[in-house]
Amino acid sequence: SQTIHQWPATLVQPVGSPLSLECTVEGTSNPNLYWYRQAAGRGLQLLFYSVGIGQISSEVPQNLSASRPQDRQFILSSKKLLLSDSGFYLCAPRGRPPYEQYFGPGTRLTVT
Amino acid sequence: AQSVTQLGSHVSVSEGALVLLRCNYSSSVPPYLFWYVQYPNQGLQLLLKYTSAATLVKGINGFEAEFKKSETSFHLTKPSAHMSDAAEYFCAVSDPTGGYNKLIFGAGTRLAVHP
Repeated sequence: SQTIHQWPATLVQPVGSPLSLECTVEGTSNPNLYWYRQAAGRGLQLLFYSVGIGQISSEVPQNLSASRPQDRQFILSSKKLLLSDSGFYLCAPRGRPPYEQYFGPGTRLTVT
Repeated sequence: AQSVTQLGSHVSVSEGALVLLRCNYSSSVPPYLFWYVQYPNQGLQLLLKYTSAATLVKGINGFEAEFKKSETSFHLTKPSAHMSDAAEYFCAVSDPTGGYNKLIFGAGTRLAVHP
């Protein structure tokens, strides 16, 4: 079974500051990896996904970026945070068919 | 494009009552379907999944869902609600276009259980 680590668990950052959220996955190899965001009172928004090292697909144009430097590591970054970046960020690797996704514990980001 | 509709953003039931959370999908091909549950400040947990093996799918915590192709529905039920079932529930469909690379989620239904 997979274990998904996300850190930090919570983060409070001022507007205009940089961001780095990290996700690592154990118990699987070469997974598809996904970043989602949940803004307050809203559903899940897919931000990025990756099918392999160095391969990133962006779903929403915004001031966030993602990178996948290693097979089981997925990083979400920003150079300058906006108030609208506040939310709950979830990392999710994809399983085998039927391709359900397994979610990490999440990072709560508050931009002040 | 695939879409998932969850009817009712909020559902309230009494403890011991039937839970029914509705999900309809749009798909031109047989999809894979999922229900997830999210407790406050936690990630999503997979409740159950439909893979075409059986139309009635049993999941964890006493939940089950029935796939009805003619109605394009995948409603989630539980015969008797428990206080611990209070959470947000998401229905999702695996999009076959692009090699099942994405899950399409509904907007979620928040379930409240009162004594």
